[in-house]
Amino acid sequence: DTEVTQTPKHLVMGMTNKKSLKCEQHMGHRAMYWYKQKAKKPPELMFVYSYEKLSINESVPSRFSPECPNSSLLNLHLHALQPEDSALYLCASSQDKYTTQETQYFGPGTRLLVL
Amino acid sequence: GIQVEQSPPDLILQEGANSTLRCNFSDSVNNLQWFHQNPWGQLINLFYIPSGTKQNGRLSATTVATERYSLLYISSSQTTDSGVYFCAVLDNNNDMRFGAGTRLTVKP
Repeated sequence: DTEVTQTPKHLVMGMTNKKSLKCEQHMGHRAMYWYKQKAKKPPELMFVYSYEKLSINESVPSRFSPECPNSSLLNLHLHALQPEDSALYLCASSQDKYTTQETQYFGPGTRLLVL
Repeated sequence: GIQVEQSPPDLILQEGANSTLRCNFSDSVNNLQWFHQNPWGQLINLFYIPSGTKQNGRLSATTVATERYSLLYISSSQTTDSGVYFCAVLDNNNDMRFGAGTRLTVKP
Protein backbone atom coordinates (compact mmCIF):
# COMPACT_ATOMS: atom_id res chain seq x y z
CA ASP A 1 0.00 0.00 0.00
CA THR A 2 1.58 3.28 -1.15
CA GLU A 3 -1.31 5.52 -0.19
CA VAL A 4 -1.18 8.90 1.48
CA THR A 5 -4.60 10.29 2.38
CA GLN A 6 -5.55 13.91 2.93
CA THR A 7 -8.68 15.55 4.27
CA PRO A 8 -10.57 17.60 3.42
CA LYS A 9 -10.37 17.56 -0.39
CA HIS A 10 -11.65 21.13 -0.60
CA LEU A 11 -11.75 23.91 1.97
CA VAL A 12 -13.13 27.44 1.83
CA MET A 13 -12.33 29.68 4.76
CA GLY A 14 -12.50 33.32 5.73
CA MET A 15 -9.49 35.29 6.85
CA THR A 16 -10.58 35.09 10.51
CA ASN A 17 -11.22 31.34 10.56
CA LYS A 18 -9.13 28.59 12.10
CA LYS A 19 -9.02 25.30 10.23
CA SER A 20 -6.78 22.24 10.00
CA LEU A 21 -5.60 20.04 7.15
CA LYS A 22 -4.94 16.39 7.89
CA CYS A 23 -2.63 13.84 6.30
CA GLU A 24 -2.19 10.15 7.08
CA GLN A 25 0.06 7.33 5.85
CA HIS A 26 0.39 3.72 6.95
CA MET A 27 3.53 2.78 5.08
CA GLY A 28 5.76 3.01 8.15
CA HIS A 29 7.46 6.07 6.73
CA ARG A 30 9.35 8.27 9.18
CA ALA A 31 9.48 11.46 7.11
CA MET A 32 6.44 13.56 6.22
CA TYR A 33 6.20 16.77 4.25
CA TRP A 34 3.88 19.67 3.49
CA TYR A 35 4.10 21.36 0.11
CA LYS A 36 2.23 24.37 -1.25
CA GLN A 37 1.38 24.56 -4.95
CA LYS A 38 0.03 27.69 -6.59
CA ALA A 39 -1.76 27.46 -9.93
CA LYS A 40 0.55 26.66 -12.86
CA LYS A 41 3.57 26.43 -10.53
CA PRO A 42 5.53 23.47 -9.14
CA PRO A 43 5.10 22.33 -5.54
CA GLU A 44 7.22 24.20 -2.99
CA LEU A 45 8.37 22.67 0.26
CA MET A 46 6.93 24.20 3.44
CA PHE A 47 7.71 21.81 6.29
CA VAL A 48 9.53 18.54 6.86
CA TYR A 49 9.08 16.21 9.81
CA SER A 50 11.64 13.52 10.39
CA TYR A 51 10.94 11.02 13.16
CA GLU A 52 8.13 13.30 14.38
CA LYS A 53 10.47 16.26 14.78
CA LEU A 54 10.32 19.37 12.67
CA SER A 55 13.57 19.42 10.77
CA ILE A 56 12.98 22.27 8.39
CA ASN A 57 10.79 25.32 8.16
CA GLU A 58 11.22 27.06 4.85
CA SER A 59 10.57 30.51 6.37
CA VAL A 60 6.85 29.90 6.18
CA PRO A 61 4.62 32.54 7.85
CA SER A 62 3.49 31.71 11.39
CA ARG A 63 -0.14 31.64 10.30
CA PHE A 64 0.74 28.09 9.14
CA SER A 65 1.45 25.77 12.06
CA PRO A 66 2.43 22.14 11.47
CA GLU A 67 1.95 19.32 13.92
CA CYS A 68 3.04 15.68 13.84
CA PRO A 69 1.12 13.82 16.59
CA ASN A 70 2.67 10.47 15.64
CA SER A 71 4.61 8.86 12.83
CA SER A 72 1.48 8.25 10.74
CA LEU A 73 -0.26 11.61 11.07
CA LEU A 74 0.55 15.13 9.97
CA ASN A 75 -1.60 18.21 10.50
CA LEU A 76 -1.37 21.74 9.19
CA HIS A 77 -3.19 24.28 11.33
CA LEU A 78 -4.33 27.42 9.56
CA HIS A 79 -5.15 30.73 11.22
CA ALA A 80 -5.70 34.26 9.90
CA LEU A 81 -4.80 33.30 6.36
CA GLN A 82 -4.65 35.75 3.46
CA PRO A 83 -6.28 35.36 0.03
CA GLU A 84 -2.82 34.79 -1.47
CA ASP A 85 -2.57 31.60 0.62
CA SER A 86 -5.18 30.01 -1.65
CA ALA A 87 -3.45 27.01 -3.21
CA LEU A 88 -3.26 23.24 -3.40
CA TYR A 89 -1.64 21.85 -0.25
CA LEU A 90 0.08 18.53 -0.76
CA CYS A 91 1.27 16.09 1.85
CA ALA A 92 3.98 13.53 1.11
CA SER A 93 5.89 10.85 2.94
CA SER A 94 9.09 8.90 2.49
CA GLN A 95 10.93 6.18 4.37
CA ASP A 96 13.57 8.46 5.79
CA LYS A 97 14.49 12.06 4.97
CA TYR A 98 18.19 11.29 5.12
CA THR A 99 18.18 8.36 2.71
CA THR A 100 18.73 9.70 -0.78
CA GLN A 101 17.82 6.55 -2.68
CA GLU A 102 14.11 6.60 -2.13
CA THR A 103 10.78 7.87 -3.37
CA GLN A 104 8.40 10.43 -1.96
CA TYR A 105 4.71 9.51 -2.16
CA PHE A 106 2.12 12.25 -2.42
CA GLY A 107 -1.45 12.54 -1.23
CA PRO A 108 -4.24 13.92 -3.44
CA GLY A 109 -4.04 17.36 -1.89
CA THR A 110 -6.41 19.84 -0.30
CA ARG A 111 -7.59 22.74 -2.45
CA LEU A 112 -7.81 25.76 -0.18
CA LEU A 113 -9.64 28.97 -1.01
CA VAL A 114 -9.30 31.91 1.35
CA LEU A 115 -11.94 34.59 0.99
CA GLY B 1 20.96 25.87 -4.69
CA ILE B 2 20.41 23.29 -7.38
CA GLN B 3 18.52 24.45 -10.46
CA VAL B 4 16.11 22.18 -12.34
CA GLU B 5 14.98 23.18 -15.81
CA GLN B 6 12.38 21.38 -17.87
CA SER B 7 11.56 21.68 -21.54
CA PRO B 8 9.37 22.25 -23.36
CA PRO B 9 7.05 24.17 -21.03
CA ASP B 10 4.02 23.20 -23.09
CA LEU B 11 3.41 20.39 -25.52
CA ILE B 12 0.32 19.58 -27.58
CA LEU B 13 0.09 16.20 -29.28
CA GLN B 14 -2.35 14.26 -31.33
CA GLU B 15 -3.35 10.92 -29.80
CA GLY B 16 -0.92 8.22 -30.88
CA ALA B 17 2.08 10.51 -31.22
CA ASN B 18 5.38 10.07 -29.36
CA SER B 19 7.12 12.72 -27.27
CA THR B 20 10.31 13.41 -25.34
CA LEU B 21 10.43 15.62 -22.24
CA ARG B 22 13.73 16.89 -20.93
CA CYS B 23 15.03 17.77 -17.47
CA ASN B 24 18.39 19.51 -16.94
CA PHE B 25 19.89 19.94 -13.50
CA SER B 26 22.74 22.17 -12.41
CA ASP B 27 24.59 19.86 -10.01
CA SER B 28 25.19 16.17 -9.44
CA VAL B 29 22.24 14.36 -7.90
CA ASN B 30 21.69 11.08 -6.06
CA ASN B 31 17.94 11.12 -6.50
CA LEU B 32 15.78 12.09 -9.45
CA GLN B 33 12.10 11.39 -9.84
CA TRP B 34 9.55 11.94 -12.58
CA PHE B 35 5.96 12.65 -11.60
CA HIS B 36 2.72 13.07 -13.52
CA GLN B 37 0.21 15.49 -12.02
CA ASN B 38 -3.26 14.72 -13.29
CA PRO B 39 -5.93 17.40 -13.81
CA TRP B 40 -7.25 16.76 -10.28
CA GLY B 41 -3.88 17.58 -8.72
CA GLN B 42 -2.70 14.12 -7.76
CA LEU B 43 1.06 13.65 -8.17
CA ILE B 44 1.76 10.16 -9.42
CA ASN B 45 5.22 8.62 -9.22
CA LEU B 46 6.43 7.55 -12.63
CA PHE B 47 10.11 6.77 -12.14
CA TYR B 48 12.83 6.94 -9.55
CA ILE B 49 15.85 7.21 -11.86
CA PRO B 50 19.08 8.83 -10.61
CA SER B 51 20.92 7.11 -13.47
CA GLY B 52 20.35 4.61 -16.23
CA THR B 53 17.21 3.66 -18.12
CA LYS B 54 13.87 2.29 -16.97
CA GLN B 55 10.70 1.37 -18.82
CA ASN B 56 7.12 0.99 -17.68
CA GLY B 57 4.66 0.23 -20.44
CA ARG B 58 4.49 3.15 -22.86
CA LEU B 59 6.73 5.28 -20.67
CA SER B 60 10.47 5.11 -20.34
CA ALA B 61 13.10 7.35 -18.78
CA THR B 62 16.84 7.81 -19.13
CA THR B 63 19.12 9.77 -16.85
CA VAL B 64 22.69 10.61 -17.86
CA ALA B 65 24.01 11.73 -14.50
CA THR B 66 27.46 12.73 -15.80
CA GLU B 67 25.85 15.15 -18.26
CA ARG B 68 23.16 16.29 -15.80
CA TYR B 69 20.01 15.57 -17.73
CA SER B 70 17.10 13.17 -17.78
CA LEU B 71 14.62 12.35 -20.52
CA LEU B 72 11.08 11.02 -20.27
CA TYR B 73 9.70 9.28 -23.34
CA ILE B 74 5.99 8.83 -23.92
CA SER B 75 5.04 6.57 -26.81
CA SER B 76 1.63 6.17 -28.45
CA SER B 77 0.22 8.95 -26.30
CA GLN B 78 -3.35 8.77 -25.01
CA THR B 79 -5.70 11.50 -23.80
CA THR B 80 -5.23 10.19 -20.26
CA ASP B 81 -1.55 11.15 -20.50
CA SER B 82 -2.57 14.80 -20.36
CA GLY B 83 -1.43 16.77 -17.35
CA VAL B 84 1.81 18.22 -16.04
CA TYR B 85 5.03 16.23 -15.89
CA PHE B 86 7.50 17.22 -13.21
CA CYS B 87 11.10 16.31 -12.72
CA ALA B 88 12.33 16.59 -9.12
CA VAL B 89 15.71 16.18 -7.46
CA LEU B 90 17.03 16.24 -3.90
CA ASP B 91 19.19 19.19 -2.97
CA ASN B 92 22.14 19.22 -0.53
CA ASN B 93 19.70 19.08 2.41
CA ASN B 94 17.84 16.11 0.92
CA ASP B 95 14.87 18.41 0.24
CA MET B 96 12.95 17.86 -2.98
CA ARG B 97 13.17 20.59 -5.60
CA PHE B 98 10.86 20.52 -8.59
CA GLY B 99 11.33 21.81 -12.10
CA ALA B 100 8.67 24.10 -13.52
CA GLY B 101 7.02 21.19 -15.34
CA THR B 102 5.93 20.36 -18.88
CA ARG B 103 2.20 20.77 -19.51
CA LEU B 104 1.11 18.05 -21.94
CA THR B 105 -2.18 18.11 -23.79
CA VAL B 106 -3.10 15.06 -25.86
CA LYS B 107 -5.94 15.68 -28.29
CA PRO B 108 -8.23 12.88 -29.53
